[in-house]
Amino acid sequence: KAGVTQTPRYLIKTRGQQVTLSCSPISGHRSVSWYQQTPGQGLQFLFEYFSETQRNKGNFPGRFSGRQFSNSRSEMNVSTLELGDSALYLCASSLDGQGAYNEQFFGPGTRLTVL
Amino acid sequence: AQSVTQLDSQVPVFEEAPVELRCNYSSSVSVYLFWYVQYPNQGLQLLLKYLSGSTLVESINGFEAEFNKSQTSFHLRKPSVHISDTAEYFCAVSSTVQFYFGTGTSLTVIP
Repeated sequence: KAGVTQTPRYLIKTRGQQVTLSCSPISGHRSVSWYQQTPGQGLQFLFEYFSETQRNKGNFPGRFSGRQFSNSRSEMNVSTLELGDSALYLCASSLDGQGAYNEQFFGPGTRLTVL
Repeated sequence: AQSVTQLDSQVPVFEEAPVELRCNYSSSVSVYLFWYVQYPNQGLQLLLKYLSGSTLVESINGFEAEFNKSQTSFHLRKPSVHISDTAEYFCAVSSTVQFYFGTGTSLTVIP
């Protein structure tokens, strides 16, 4: 079974631009979560989508948004990029959602650099 | 709300020496505990987890962690490390809603 895939793997943007990242979960998984990883901050939860609905949301500004399609693929969008948005963005999928009995499987991440 | 503290951001250790990576959590409800490992340029992989039952859990590559409820800790240990164990290690806690991750511990095994 194929793992979680994320595209693109690397991205360079300039301040003020917007960016869209894509995540394809493991086949059969309906929950997709997004995390921002930066040195010293660890993983910060952005949001989780389940069956095309945002079910949980972290403490990030409205510039960060996402969506999920009927095939469970998910995209996240960051508008008006700031230098501080430079990070590794990780996507994780699970069968039914977050929690102990729904192990999260992580993709390799998208490295976003904002210049 | 839950939170996770990994007390050591970097841990250098010589090959074949023992290592302990510390993790403490805070939570007002019952939680489940995890250790994930991240190798360079890769995503996170589940190393081991505690859900219930025996407080000592083991991974297939020699790591073990012990859930200590009174000390709210879930430290990761390995009696003899290998070069290939060099990676970033994340402790995480979960209720039924959301995962919370620590800031990570960078383990460097020195030949």
